[in-house]
Amino acid sequence: GAGVSQSPSNKVTEKGKDVELRCDPISGHTALYWYRQSLGQGLEFLIYFQGNSAPDKSGLPSDRFSAERTGGSVSTLTIQRTQQEDSAVYLCASSPRGSTVGRDYGYTFGSGTRLTVV
Amino acid sequence: AQSVAQPEDQVNVAEGNPLTVKCTYSVSGNPYLFWYVQYPNRGLQFLLKYITGDNLVKGSYGFEAEFNKSQTSFHLKKPSALVSDSALYFCAVRGRGNTPLVFGKGTRLSVIA
Repeated sequence: GAGVSQSPSNKVTEKGKDVELRCDPISGHTALYWYRQSLGQGLEFLIYFQGNSAPDKSGLPSDRFSAERTGGSVSTLTIQRTQQEDSAVYLCASSPRGSTVGRDYGYTFGSGTRLTVV
Repeated sequence: AQSVAQPEDQVNVAEGNPLTVKCTYSVSGNPYLFWYVQYPNRGLQFLLKYITGDNLVKGSYGFEAEFNKSQTSFHLKKPSALVSDSALYFCAVRGRGNTPLVFGKGTRLSVIA
């Protein structure tokens, strides 16, 4: 597609329920990133996929969070047993590839999913 | 570890005045530095980047930033602010290798007519 598409744009869920957030990156982009934006906290890195390599999961805040990327394209971020502190905007970004020495391909961000846990 | 500091949560400027949004960074090796802007209910949009070369980088919408290695800073500037520049601005850094960008907490810019 022309840009990074995220769905849903808004999600309200009850505490304890599971949620799935979807990201459809730009066609041909091999790198995909998930970030979380909380009020006053900036952007917090969650997970990074690069091609067929094992994902970098170092930013996931707990084992309730997981993500997968099927066929090197669409990614789903799953939050199990949601808590109120999970309320945030979840942003996805894609890039043609990861950074190389002396070059950087930049990120294109989606508009995000605003998650509210009540 | 990589880190970015944006010391100001909020910057207010009058329309037509110059603006500066501050950013300092910490990274091992040569830094890759970025500025992104976020308008209300929108995703982040790329403004400019420094990878190598001239220390003064020009970007979208008349913005520029100066890389200062000795001060580890990458401040965002614009000679004449517009009301439409009002938004949330994020500085980001990446070090060597395929590491994800690390973002600052953001600075909200308010340009007053």
